[in-house]
Amino acid sequence: GNSVTQMEGPVTLSEEAFLTINCTYTATGYPSLFWYVQYPGEGLQLLLKATKADDKGSNKGFEATYRKETTSFHLEKGSVQVSDSAVYFCALSRAGGGADGLTFGKGTHLIIQP
Amino acid sequence: DAGITQSPRHKVTETGTPVTLRCHQTENHRYMYWYRQDPGHGLRLIHYSYGVKDTDKGEVSDGYSVSRSKTEDFLLTLESATSSQTSVYFCAIRDVQGRNTEAFFGQGTRLTVV
Repeated sequence: GNSVTQMEGPVTLSEEAFLTINCTYTATGYPSLFWYVQYPGEGLQLLLKATKADDKGSNKGFEATYRKETTSFHLEKGSVQVSDSAVYFCALSRAGGGADGLTFGKGTHLIIQP
Repeated sequence: DAGITQSPRHKVTETGTPVTLRCHQTENHRYMYWYRQDPGHGLRLIHYSYGVKDTDKGEVSDGYSVSRSKTEDFLLTLESATSSQTSVYFCAIRDVQGRNTEAFFGQGTRLTVV
C-alpha cells in the first residue's frame, strides 16, 4: 500500500536559518504530493502541492520538488521566521485520484527560535 | 477558506456512552472523510464517503460508524466510547477534478473519553 515517511522532530532552528524537512513516499504510478501545515489548535491547511514528476510547488517562501527517481518531496525554505513554527505534514493521493483519501506522514514539529 | 464546520469543537464524555460528531460543508464536494490525529501516528483515516449513502472503511474503523444522508453532512458515531478513542477528529472534503486532488480540513473536534 501507499506510505509516507518524514522526520518527526521536533526540529529546532534559529530565525533566518535554512529549512529542509525530508519526505519520501511509497506508491505505485504517479501520485499527487502535498505539504500541509497545522498551527496550534487549528486544522490542516494546504501549503503546496505537485501533481506530476519534476513539478515544483511553492507558497509563502516554501518550495518542494516532486522527484520521481528518488520518490521524494522535500520541503525547503531559505529563511525561516518565528511564525513558521507549526507541524508540517507530507501527504499523497494515489495515482488516478479516487475516493479513498490522502495518506499522511506522521508530521514534523518545527520550532523556530528568535 | 473552504466552508467546513465541525461540531462540537470540544467534548468530554464518559466511557460507554454514544457520541456523534458532525461535519457540515457548504462546498458541494463529493468526497468527505473522517480522520483522527494522535501523537506519533499523524492522521489516520477512519471512514470516508464517496456520495450520499455511500461510505467505506478506512484503516482504523473499528468502534466507529458513519452516515451521510445529505451531500453536506457527514456524521461520525462512536457507539460506545472508550478511552482509546480520546483524540482530535478532523473532517475533510475533496472534489477530485483533473489535477485538483487536495483535501480541505475542518478545525477539528477534541474528544476526551473519561
